[in-house]
Amino acid sequence: EVQLVESGGDLVQPGGSLRLSCAASEFTFSRYWMGWVRQAPGKGLEWVANIKEDGGEKYYVDSVKGRFTISRDNAKNLLYLQMNSLRAEDTAVYYCARHGYYYFDNWGQGTLVTVSS
Amino acid sequence: DIQMTQSPSSLSASVGDRVTITCRASHSISSSLNWYQQKPGKAPNVLIYAASSLQSGVPSRFSGSGSGTDFTLTISSLQPEDFATYYCQQSYSIPWTFGQGTKVEIK
Repeated sequence: EVQLVESGGDLVQPGGSLRLSCAASEFTFSRYWMGWVRQAPGKGLEWVANIKEDGGEKYYVDSVKGRFTISRDNAKNLLYLQMNSLRAEDTAVYYCARHGYYYFDNWGQGTLVTVSS
Repeated sequence: DIQMTQSPSSLSASVGDRVTITCRASHSISSSLNWYQQKPGKAPNVLIYAASSLQSGVPSRFSGSGSGTDFTLTISSLQPEDFATYYCQQSYSIPWTFGQGTKVEIK
């Protein structure tokens, strides 16, 4: 069974930085696009970023461009989201998700990021 | 960006009811439309991908239809475990966007 386990969520002050990690197991990580999706408290889902199998292509929602960076380490089966210049509106549960064919076929349990002073 | 609009935002239904949720895209997205179910405190799970393909392991009471701008998710006979929030999502163009969600509650 596919396993995706996020970590790194925390309380951080506005303007601060945080790095999320997602540990993948029980599938060949290097063969799949991966992504991050977030959900603000009581709100809907928002796609954040995607990364190609080899890390050669990356895409972001406009609201995080220039502040967030998605990356991966295929040798360690790890997906990352480096988040800088955090804002209150970045407060959300962040989910790591695996791509099926143009959809997310497996999700982690999520990690909570709270941006507040 | 392609905007996705779901209707209704919420509905009340009884076990055994047939339930239909619609999703409209602001531009044509061909069949690049997916449906997810989310229960409180849990991650979403995909139900339908490419507008009408049933994800492996999903009960056959779930079905999807549509193309272009108008799509439908149908639950043929609502079961107790189906009370949840449902989201559509387009994967036609970046940024991938979700509908605002439809909460299905017990009548």
